[in-house]
Amino acid sequence: SQQGEEDPQALSIQEGENATMNCSYKTSINNLQWYRQNSGRGLVHLILIRSNEREKHSGRLRVTLDTSKKSSSLLITASRAADTASYFCATGEVGDDKIIFGKGTRLHILP
Amino acid sequence: ETGVTQSPTHLIKTRGQQVTLRCSSQSGHNTVSWYQQALGQGPQFIFQYYREEENGRGNFPPRFSGLQFPNYSSELNVNALELDDSALYLCASSQVGQGSLGGYTFGSGTRLTVV
Repeated sequence: SQQGEEDPQALSIQEGENATMNCSYKTSINNLQWYRQNSGRGLVHLILIRSNEREKHSGRLRVTLDTSKKSSSLLITASRAADTASYFCATGEVGDDKIIFGKGTRLHILP
Repeated sequence: ETGVTQSPTHLIKTRGQQVTLRCSSQSGHNTVSWYQQALGQGPQFIFQYYREEENGRGNFPPRFSGLQFPNYSSELNVNALELDDSALYLCASSQVGQGSLGGYTFGSGTRLTVV
């Protein structure tokens, strides 16, 4: 089953603009991760935020986590054409090695 | 260091047939997890293998089965294929206990079409 929902389901923005995607989940988590998938192929790990962290940065990526609202956001700044992909949040639970994915946000960067 | 390799990349099968998908794990990894991703959806956890035994299973019927070999590679077998089994099947390897901590490496997937 899917853990949560990403919002929006699809997003189109101009190159250079910032893209924000949101993720909601249902259970208590150990951490939350974001993955990118190009053209329905393999998943690439972008960033992980632990349940005791509120914000994390990696290059042009900024992730926030609000465990009280069971939600996270991924911000991509200064978007590029190469950022066109689907983005998924995935949660890891305490004592469980699997991760549960959301349904994803399809991001399209317009030239 | 090699990544995760899946074969074949594409496959077309007829309803009722059986299929075997293969995955070679990344060097140094000892678990393999399989995910099913239907078109437009997120990946769904099928099962994980560690020490050649199933180590956790998602909500999939018994006709989905797997194997892990001593070299940590793995197979996913699906019997009595149904049209809804059409999907991208993703394999991910990790060190045990590290997958949920960001340690998964995913393969490029096998696209299965059931007609």
